[in-house]
Amino acid sequence: DAGVTQSPTHLIKTRGQQVTLRCSPKSGHDTVSWYQQALGQGPQFIFQYYEEEERQRGNFPDRFSGHQFPNYSSELNVNALLLGDSALYLCASSFRASNQPQHFGDGTRLSIL
Amino acid sequence: GENVEQHPSTLSVQEGDSAVIKCTYSDSASNYFPWYKQELGKRPQLIIDIRSNVGEKKDQRIAVTLNKTAKHFSLHITETQPEDSAVYFCAASEGLTGGGNKLTFGTGTQLKVEL
Repeated sequence: DAGVTQSPTHLIKTRGQQVTLRCSPKSGHDTVSWYQQALGQGPQFIFQYYEEEERQRGNFPDRFSGHQFPNYSSELNVNALLLGDSALYLCASSFRASNQPQHFGDGTRLSIL
Repeated sequence: GENVEQHPSTLSVQEGDSAVIKCTYSDSASNYFPWYKQELGKRPQLIIDIRSNVGEKKDQRIAVTLNKTAKHFSLHITETQPEDSAVYFCAASEGLTGGGNKLTFGTGTQLKVEL
């Protein structure tokens, strides 16, 4: 049973560029949440997707956008990258109708030069 | 919005001793409180969770207690082992599907178990 998978594992970009990160949820899960984890900090909620719509959003600017596909996989897009966007981006999946906890992927380490 | 504070930021114990990590939350609507363990370079892994209708939950050497009135919850690890060394995060969320809802995390506790 495949867990949550994310790609790529590492990414280096320069300021002003755009990036797309990808996530495949655990089998049977229909909800995907994205978190940003800066070095030495706890993960911070970016947004959550369910039924291909953004359902909840954290305190992140519009430069952060996302998408969910019919197969429940999801993308996180970040435009106009800033140095402060350097972080580990974590994807978590869950089954909305259940009371079960979220499962996290290994994350994508994004470095901005 | 919800705010979760976590203490201490670092904790060093001798192997076999107990470790306690404490968190407080601000939103009385929060009803689900998971604890995650994150080893260096790895994903956060759920180690135990508790819902607001329960005051205490135990799983082998790990236990969590919740005081809804005071809005605080704690992680207790007994008989610590070197493999318990990691960063531990508490979190809180609300809603009927508390497990899948937005999680607000604490800032983490670096636990070091020394031989």
